[in-house]
Amino acid sequence: EPEVTQTPSHQVTQMGQEVILRCVPISNHLYFYWYRQILGQKVEFLVSFYNNEISEKSEIFDDQFSVERPDGSNFTLKIRSTKLEDSAMYFCAAKGDLIAYNEQFFGPGTRLTVL
Amino acid sequence: AQTVTQSQPEMSVQEAETVTLSCTYDTSENNYYLFWYKQPPSRQMILVIRQEAYKQQNATENRFSVNFQKAAKSFSLKISDSQLGDTAMYFCAFMNLNRDDKIIFGKGTRLHILP
Repeated sequence: EPEVTQTPSHQVTQMGQEVILRCVPISNHLYFYWYRQILGQKVEFLVSFYNNEISEKSEIFDDQFSVERPDGSNFTLKIRSTKLEDSAMYFCAAKGDLIAYNEQFFGPGTRLTVL
Repeated sequence: AQTVTQSQPEMSVQEAETVTLSCTYDTSENNYYLFWYKQPPSRQMILVIRQEAYKQQNATENRFSVNFQKAAKSFSLKISDSQLGDTAMYFCAFMNLNRDDKIIFGKGTRLHILP
């Protein structure tokens, strides 16, 4: 069964460095999402993406964050200059047609550690 | 804005017992979905069960069932014949169908199944 995949599974970086988290959705998915979960806390919505543009973003998703689908398959989240508080689990999710309900399929997550 | 509240941070039950996890939510919308997600130690997000708000019948998936009280905005999860593999963090979640379709999560309930 096709799955949403994410790479890397764990990323360690120094504060101030740029990181790119990658997600490969299932091929027929059209809507893409990033969520964040700080350790021990709830999962929070960051951004949704459709038709090569951001549909909605939360207040967490400031100018340090960006998303894109550079090659029509990968969906990336870039953090330009990481801060200690960016340490979290980052989940990508994807879904198909919006008209009928479609489950958001979550990837396994990328654990980001900022030192 | 929609909110999801889980009032039980942590619970423990003996294997084979039945356990109920509580969830309340707040919304002014009429069309939405409610979910329970399981997050085991691997931190993968696994959809356990979903409930469409327009359906009066409570959803059931094998040992998992919900008690959906729309007027009271309550959505509890019952796990019957609990198993050691049910040990995990459980998140109640809401998704609005009318506008955006991001998922809003509660803070979670950590469930321990004791041998």
